[in-house]
Amino acid sequence: GAGVSQSPSNKVTEKGKDVELRCDPISGHTALYWYRQRLGQGLEFLIYFQGNSAPDKSGLPSDRFSAERTGESVSTLTIQRTQQEDSAVYLCASSLSWTEELFFGSGTQLSVL
Amino acid sequence: TQLLEQSPQFLSIQEGENLTVYCNSSSVFSSLQWYRQEPGEGPVLLVTVVTGGEVKKLKRLTFQFGDARKDSSLHITAAQPGDTGLYLCAVLPLGTDKLIFGTGTRLQVFP
Repeated sequence: GAGVSQSPSNKVTEKGKDVELRCDPISGHTALYWYRQRLGQGLEFLIYFQGNSAPDKSGLPSDRFSAERTGESVSTLTIQRTQQEDSAVYLCASSLSWTEELFFGSGTQLSVL
Repeated sequence: TQLLEQSPQFLSIQEGENLTVYCNSSSVFSSLQWYRQEPGEGPVLLVTVVTGGEVKKLKRLTFQFGDARKDSSLHITAAQPGDTGLYLCAVLPLGTDKLIFGTGTRLQVFP
């Protein structure tokens, strides 16, 4: 597709369940970012991929969060044993390189009940 | 502490008014970006400034990078309802690969 695609667009889950969020970046973009945005707030950096490698995982809030990227394409962000404080919009972005403009998806709205 | 502080946090104005929002830091950056985010969407890049003192204009929007490359401002002339959104500044701290965003200014322009 022409832009960054994220799925699902909305996810409602129960506390303690695992969730998997998907990001399809723009074809050819080697850099891929995940951010979290709590209601009414700015963007919180989670993790960054250059190719399939994640040089910086320091933004992941806890060991319940993990992410992977395969084929220098699709990425998945997994949250295990979800907690209510995980409720937020999770945004994915891709770029040609880490110095270039980021193109964002529309995000996944995660609600943990 | 936040690397980038934006002010004001919220701004509600009438159509036709002028406004300025600010992005401040104690650190020096090689470049700074401004994004706008509309409800239900991801942020979209407006401009990148790279030279201290640089001024860039995008229609009614004027962006300035501070001489010391620690801060930036965004001025909107004759605001329109279509300017409504969350304005975010972002930088790539020296020695890192991660783009860090500011706290954001939420602008509401009423007709």
